[in-house]
Amino acid sequence: EIVLTQSPDTLSLSPGDRATLSCRASQSVSSYLAWYQQKPGQAPRLLVYDASNRATGIPARFSGSGSGTDFTLSISSLEPEDSAVYYCQQSGATFGQGTKLEIK
Amino acid sequence: QVQLVQSGPEVKRPGASVKVSCKTSGYTFSTYGVGWVRQAPGQGLEWLAWITPYTRSTKYAQKLQGRVTVTTDTSTKTAYMELRSLRSDDTAVYYCARSRGYSFGTPLDYWGQGTLVTVSS
Repeated sequence: EIVLTQSPDTLSLSPGDRATLSCRASQSVSSYLAWYQQKPGQAPRLLVYDASNRATGIPARFSGSGSGTDFTLSISSLEPEDSAVYYCQQSGATFGQGTKLEIK
Repeated sequence: QVQLVQSGPEVKRPGASVKVSCKTSGYTFSTYGVGWVRQAPGQGLEWLAWITPYTRSTKYAQKLQGRVTVTTDTSTKTAYMELRSLRSDDTAVYYCARSRGYSFGTPLDYWGQGTLVTVSS
């Protein structure tokens, strides 16, 4: 079973900063990596699929990169509404443990 | 618009079974898969299973294999997830979600509102 490890566990940044979230797979997942955002009390929302493609309606501030085992989600010019937990998922199956992003 | 509407909250005794429904609308049901994900209180997301209505092909998380079954009813455009031999650590919010394609491996682009399943004696 492929294991996804996200880092850091928590990230505290200020509005206007750039956030860089990492997801590492225990073996290659090619480009079959997606990123989701989840706010308290809400269902997850798909942000990026196939490592670097933004989902419908997702602002250009969100960008994904990587292939094989190492992936990154970048969020430029952070806004307070970006506070959430971010999860990566491989091949429509297993998820990483999540990164909590706090905007202070 | 694409919508997935799940059944209401459930309270079950240990050892019982639960069946959660996910009624879809706004898209061609047979040409997209449906995935199931759960989230225990204060915890992360756990992928459970996936099914494609087109061929009724299924995939299951190894951890739950044998206790979980996913099915679809194309006449009502509804997907179902049944979990048997419930334990207290099955207490979670259960989500259904549409996958972007009919093949396994595609991400989940539209989600239901979640169904809280509580297992307690």
